[in-house]
Amino acid sequence: EAQVTQNPRYLITVTGKKLTVTCSQNMNHEYMSWYRQDPGLGLRQIYYSMNVEVTDKGDVPEGYKVSRKEKRNFPLILESPSPNQTSLYFCASAVQRGTDTQYFGPGTRLTVL
Amino acid sequence: AQRVTQPEKLLSVFKGAPVELKCNYSYSGSPELFWYVQYSRQRLQLLLRHISRESIKGFTADLNKGETSFHLKKPFAQEEDSAMYYCALSYNTGGFKTIFGAGTRLFVKA
Repeated sequence: EAQVTQNPRYLITVTGKKLTVTCSQNMNHEYMSWYRQDPGLGLRQIYYSMNVEVTDKGDVPEGYKVSRKEKRNFPLILESPSPNQTSLYFCASAVQRGTDTQYFGPGTRLTVL
Repeated sequence: AQRVTQPEKLLSVFKGAPVELKCNYSYSGSPELFWYVQYSRQRLQLLLRHISRESIKGFTADLNKGETSFHLKKPFAQEEDSAMYYCALSYNTGGFKTIFGAGTRLFVKA
């Protein structure tokens, strides 16, 4: 089944403890992106990637890192999480560009204590 | 700066009534506009995009460049339309960024 997967789905952690949220797609899409969803703010783009080894900042990149070593994977890294990064995170992919239809993962709910 | 505004957080209508979810955008170039929908316990998914000009599940949306709007409409709401709806703007900035509105929760009452 063509889809975007994220792991873990739920995570509770403490301030400062490095974590990685994985994202994988099996549709051979070139474009991948990370968003965070907060009440009243909708989805805000964190980082996106046009292709392998090509990444760029979205609107809220502070405190996050990404890498795109393989086409199918786009992990989100929080080197030193803080409580203001408590949020619902979505990964998405698109065939080639961000202006193509984006396909979303199921979401990862992160709580930073 | 680019912006997407959905003025209604919650919209409640009766089954069979017309529904319009408003979306206004701020962008100086040619926008790529989308409506995404999230049904309960499901993933966010595309409902429709302006370049396809098609009707999905009875919904239509017309891009009005003069009013910078992309309102979503359906003449007769159904209970299964109850969901969270997001308007989104994608644009080329060397890369391709996407901005979402805050979303409108549609509740269709029986």
